[in-house]
Amino acid sequence: KNEVEQSPQNLTAQEGEFITINCSYSVGISALHWLQQHPGGGIVSLFMLSSGKKKHGRLIATINIQEKHSSLHITASHPRDSAVYICAVLASGSRLTFGEGTQLTVNP
Amino acid sequence: DTAVSQTPKYLVTQMGNDKSIKCEQNLGHDTMYWYKQDSKKFLKIMFSYNNKELIINETVPNRFSPKSPDKAHLNLHINSLELGDSAVYFCASSQQGGSGNTIYFGEGSWLTVV
Repeated sequence: KNEVEQSPQNLTAQEGEFITINCSYSVGISALHWLQQHPGGGIVSLFMLSSGKKKHGRLIATINIQEKHSSLHITASHPRDSAVYICAVLASGSRLTFGEGTQLTVNP
Repeated sequence: DTAVSQTPKYLVTQMGNDKSIKCEQNLGHDTMYWYKQDSKKFLKIMFSYNNKELIINETVPNRFSPKSPDKAHLNLHINSLELGDSAVYFCASSQQGGSGNTIYFGEGSWLTVV
């Protein structure tokens, strides 16, 4: 079993819908990252969290350290949000452990 | 101004060849990484260098050898390429080992071994 589990693996939504992607992890961490990978392949860091909640535009990320759980929310989703969203945790040193990613498709 | 740049973006080569992928970051970061993304899109750490010193070396065949001539560069050399080495390789960098800091990724290098 992977130390980082994401759900769902695949998600299809209609434009405008509110989207939630979940990440659970089984180890103690110092930080959690949410990453976005577009079809072209490049990876962009969306958030780095160690507690609480962060917001950037239509994106919101939350983390509950006690429950070892994080969520990424997208409000008013748009087709350009279609991408793979990857959760990654920093458990020891500088070693990131990745979830398997959530493929999001937003239809117009 | 690309923060983390890696070359080449695409590489097709025959089994048994030796190839290198270069990575440079202009962010002044102390730590650089190589990650491998397999056909199932799963990312795994391969190596991490902090100020030119190797700090993470996952279970990677010794055909893979990272070289860091200075803290702005981390190159990946692969000897005797095998079919299973086909993957996307991502270089990344962060300040101070990544703890509490954003990680910046390169665009990826698509390696195909035929």
